Amino acid sequence: GESVGLHLPTLSVQEGDNSIINCAYSNSASDYFIWYKQESGKGPQFIIDIRSNMDKRQGQRVTVLLNKTVKHLSLQIAATQPGDSAVYFCAENPNYGGSQGNLIFGKGTKLSVKP
Amino acid sequence: EAQVTQNPRYLITVTGKKLTVTCSQNMNHEYMSWYRQDPGLGLRQIYYSMNVEVTDKGDVPEGYKVSRKEKRNFPLILESPSPNQTSLYFCASSLGRVWPQHFGDGTRLSIL
Repeated sequence: GESVGLHLPTLSVQEGDNSIINCAYSNSASDYFIWYKQESGKGPQFIIDIRSNMDKRQGQRVTVLLNKTVKHLSLQIAATQPGDSAVYFCAENPNYGGSQGNLIFGKGTKLSVKP
Repeated sequence: EAQVTQNPRYLITVTGKKLTVTCSQNMNHEYMSWYRQDPGLGLRQIYYSMNVEVTDKGDVPEGYKVSRKEKRNFPLILESPSPNQTSLYFCASSLGRVWPQHFGDGTRLSIL
């Protein structure tokens, strides 16, 4: 079946460094991808999204890169801060040939920022 | 403030006692959805609704019901809860299916 996965379950970075969180997806027809941040005791919070007609999109301190050739998605966080500590997960819209598919979520990577 | 509100936030109950988790959004979103989040399994969709009176099953609909009588509300109903429905539940809404979803803060259900 279709799946969204992550290369690393945990990531520890020094405050001020850049963080890169990776995600692999399996459906080459997926046309929309989202990154979410989930802090302890809270619901997932939208960070940034990208559609398949793009390969890069930038937000405030965050950049999402999409490599459709290898079906890989990454989230880059610049100058990582303690407040960035959370679980990050990606989601894809599998776009099953135009049928009403829905977002499939990855299991998450826990980012820990060391002061 | 734009938000998705779920109630209750926490509930401990017993097997077989019907319960409803309410969800309300104030963003006039057409698309609403329920997920459960379990360790090691991530977010899995239970039911979704494309608009008023339009609902459909997600990946794990067994044991759940939903209704969408008004645009802003999308309650999740457990007619006869069982221990395997102990989980963290999230409601979400968005402009449409392929748009960023806004999540509530979750409802932690424990079925004894």
